[in-house]
Amino acid sequence: DTGVSQDPRHKITKRGQNVTFRCDPISEHNRLYWYRQTLGQGPEFLTYFQNEAQLEKSRLLSDRFSAERPKGSFSTLEIQRTEQGDSAMYLCASSLQGDINEQFFGPGTRLTVL
Amino acid sequence: RKEVEQDPGPFNVPEGATVAFNCTYSNSASQSFFWYRQDCRKEPKLLMSVYSSGNEDGRFTAQLNRASQYISLLIRDSKLSDSATYLCVVTYNQGGKLIFGQGTELSVKP
Repeated sequence: DTGVSQDPRHKITKRGQNVTFRCDPISEHNRLYWYRQTLGQGPEFLTYFQNEAQLEKSRLLSDRFSAERPKGSFSTLEIQRTEQGDSAMYLCASSLQGDINEQFFGPGTRLTVL
Repeated sequence: RKEVEQDPGPFNVPEGATVAFNCTYSNSASQSFFWYRQDCRKEPKLLMSVYSSGNEDGRFTAQLNRASQYISLLIRDSKLSDSATYLCVVTYNQGGKLIFGQGTELSVKP
């Protein structure tokens, strides 16, 4: 499968714990995006990278959230001191610079904070 | 006010019906426009881009009115397989973040 992959697919954690999610984009794609989606809502933008550089961060991304893309390939999203309000689907997408803006989404990581 | 607004539905229609979804966006600087489709518990997938001149892809027709900041999607001859949530999406710059509406749920019944 040469699509965007995310790991884990599901994560259940207790409030206050740290969690880390991984995203592997389509191999030739240099742009990588993180979104968050809650039930009944469209995805909300969190942050995006062009190669290793983090070009934009949403104000939704509080100081408990950090994202990295150290080698311009895979990316990680870490949430520290999780809160129940962090429960959501975390979606990763990738695209090719210069493309018409089509972003290809991964299957998402569903986070449940108890 | 949300940047992209859609009627959440649900729209319940019989097979073969024509259904129209509407969307408005608040930022006149928006540059690119799309409809994405999201099946239940799946990731969003691009359905079609939306151009000022209007564009058609089989049973699907998309329209953009920049003056009114309004986007529409028309589905003709609805199929059971069209049941999904349809997300209206805008961007401010090529390659940048996608800004999604909350989605309109469509259920096509036999």
